[in-house]
Amino acid sequence: EDQVTQSPEALRLQEGESSSLNCSYTVSGLRGLFWYRQDPGKGPEFLFTLYSAGEEKEKERLKATLTKKESFLHITAPKPEDSATYLCAVQLSGAGSYQLTFGKGTKLSVIP
Amino acid sequence: DAGVTQSPTHLIKTRGQQVTLRCSPKSGHDTVSWYQQALGQGPQFIFQYYEEEERQRGNFPDRFSGHQFPNYSSELNVNALLLGDSALYLCASSSPQGNYGYTFGSGTRLTVV
Repeated sequence: EDQVTQSPEALRLQEGESSSLNCSYTVSGLRGLFWYRQDPGKGPEFLFTLYSAGEEKEKERLKATLTKKESFLHITAPKPEDSATYLCAVQLSGAGSYQLTFGKGTKLSVIP
Repeated sequence: DAGVTQSPTHLIKTRGQQVTLRCSPKSGHDTVSWYQQALGQGPQFIFQYYEEEERQRGNFPDRFSGHQFPNYSSELNVNALLLGDSALYLCASSSPQGNYGYTFGSGTRLTVV
């Protein structure tokens, strides 16, 4: 069964304290891995798509990396406005596979 | 440029009733997907519409149905509402070039009482 597991479930950081969020996946074939940010009561906001092991993408204080079994979202010197739930999702390879399968998310709190 | 627009933003319904949620995709997008997100959970895929046809469906009962119109907008219908249908319903659209980087709307919060 295809699975996406995110850890930790919740993370509290002091402002400026760098850390990483983990997304491990077990799928038959990966077309792409997605990271989204979700604020309370809002829809997910697209951050990155990664397609192959070894790929890295950066945006401001965020950097996403991908291996054959997991992805990391590194947050460098976070600020309070980075507080949100970060969701990881996978899209399977193969014809007719369009859905995103999401993990439960990591709730990040950055304390001033 | 307007993103994905969903209406209504909030809705309260009684068990057994029927509900219709609406979605207008981002300009230039022709594919619409619907997701259900319970509190504290990740979104769960309901179905996707392309060229006015349902082309993939998740593990949801037939009480959940949808429609896509020629202007690419979409509706999600849920019949015989259950308390467990209470959730945030998200619409996501994507471009004709592929299914990468879905754009999500802000969702409709449905409460069933």
